[in-house]
Amino acid sequence: KAGVTQTPRYLIKTRGQQVTLSCSPISGHRSVSWYQQTPGQGLQFLFEYFSETQRNKGNFPGRFSGRQFSNSRSEMNVSTLELGDSALYLCASSLVREVENEQFFGPGTRLTVL
Amino acid sequence: TQLLEQSPQFLSIQEGENLTVYCNSSSVFSSLQWYRQEPGEGPVLLVTVVTGGEVKKLKRLTFQFGDARKDSSLHITAAQPGDTGLYLCAGASDSNYQLIWGAGTKLIIKP
Repeated sequence: KAGVTQTPRYLIKTRGQQVTLSCSPISGHRSVSWYQQTPGQGLQFLFEYFSETQRNKGNFPGRFSGRQFSNSRSEMNVSTLELGDSALYLCASSLVREVENEQFFGPGTRLTVL
Repeated sequence: TQLLEQSPQFLSIQEGENLTVYCNSSSVFSSLQWYRQEPGEGPVLLVTVVTGGEVKKLKRLTFQFGDARKDSSLHITAAQPGDTGLYLCAGASDSNYQLIWGAGTKLIIKP
């Protein structure tokens, strides 16, 4: 069974630009969560989608948004990029939406904002 | 606000040594997960502990959940270079719909 895939793997943008990241979950998984990972900060929860509905949202500004499609693929968008948005963005999928369920992570998208 | 504090933040030891990393909180969790993340990869689940006082063993790794379900530890016996990575703990509670993550312990095992 194919794992979680994320595209692109690396991205370089400049301040003020916007970016869209894509995540394809494991087949059959309906829950997709997005995280921002920076050194020393651990994983910061962005949002979680289940069956095309955003079920939970972390404490990030409105510049961060996402959506989920009927095939469970998900995208996240960051508008008006700031230097502090440089991070590894991880997507995780799980079979069901219970929080204690195992999450399967993709390799991440490394975003650098110049 | 629920927080999980991991210690140490960084650990570098020689192959063959033993080590313990800790994950502590003032909050109670219904379950706690440990993940390992290698460079260029996403975290991979190692174990989930759900019962206070529970001990789980995964080869040379021993995981313990505190009696009060507020803390956990990971002990590695005879560490090997393949154990190198970032170890993350994540807690789940009935009051949160997302996992609460620790900042991680970066472990380097030198041959």
